[in-house]
Amino acid sequence: AQSVTQLDSQVPVFEEAPVELRCNYSSSVSVYLFWYVQYPNQGLQLLLKYLSGSTLVESINGFEAEFNKSQTSFHLRKPSVHISDTAEYFCAVIFPSSGGYQKVTFGTGTKLQVIP
Amino acid sequence: DGGITQSPKYLFRKEGQNVTLSCEQNLNHDAMYWYRQDPGQGLRLIYYSQIVNDFQKGDIAEGYSVSREKKESFPLTVTSAQKNPTAFYLCASRTPQGETQYFGPGTRLLVL
Repeated sequence: AQSVTQLDSQVPVFEEAPVELRCNYSSSVSVYLFWYVQYPNQGLQLLLKYLSGSTLVESINGFEAEFNKSQTSFHLRKPSVHISDTAEYFCAVIFPSSGGYQKVTFGTGTKLQVIP
Repeated sequence: DGGITQSPKYLFRKEGQNVTLSCEQNLNHDAMYWYRQDPGQGLRLIYYSQIVNDFQKGDIAEGYSVSREKKESFPLTVTSAQKNPTAFYLCASRTPQGETQYFGPGTRLLVL
């Protein structure tokens, strides 16, 4: 079955320390991969995405994610976090399907708590 | 500015009452979605619509209904048949190329 796994429900990290949020998926075919961020009581905002090409993708606020096909992973990293990065992060995957509809499957989310 | 709006921000439902959540977009997107978010469960798909006058059930459609009479609008009705409606509801639309979803700010539904 196709699935998306975010093993860490919460990740506490000190300000200016590095962080990695893990995302794994199960699929034997090509997929599209996304990271979304959600601040309290708000909708989700796209952080970055991998569709094809370079396996390392970057966002404008210092986050990056690397697509690893052999490990079916798309981990999110930032070398130095800021208080304003405190939010919930969702990994999402589009699995190819018949009939033209591309369903988006979301992970259960990881709450990043940056400690001053 | 282009975007997705949802109203109201908070909604209270009495037992046995139907309530409707509004979702409007001016992004000219054909596809629109409704998700339900519960703590620790991520987002679950309720209904989606790929084009006007057409919509399909998602993973948890029971107790919900939708309509898509206009491209810009995709309202969600939470019916009295939905026994556990308390949640955060998110509306989204998708780019014509088919990969990125854009989300509204959400509606929090509470039961009195």
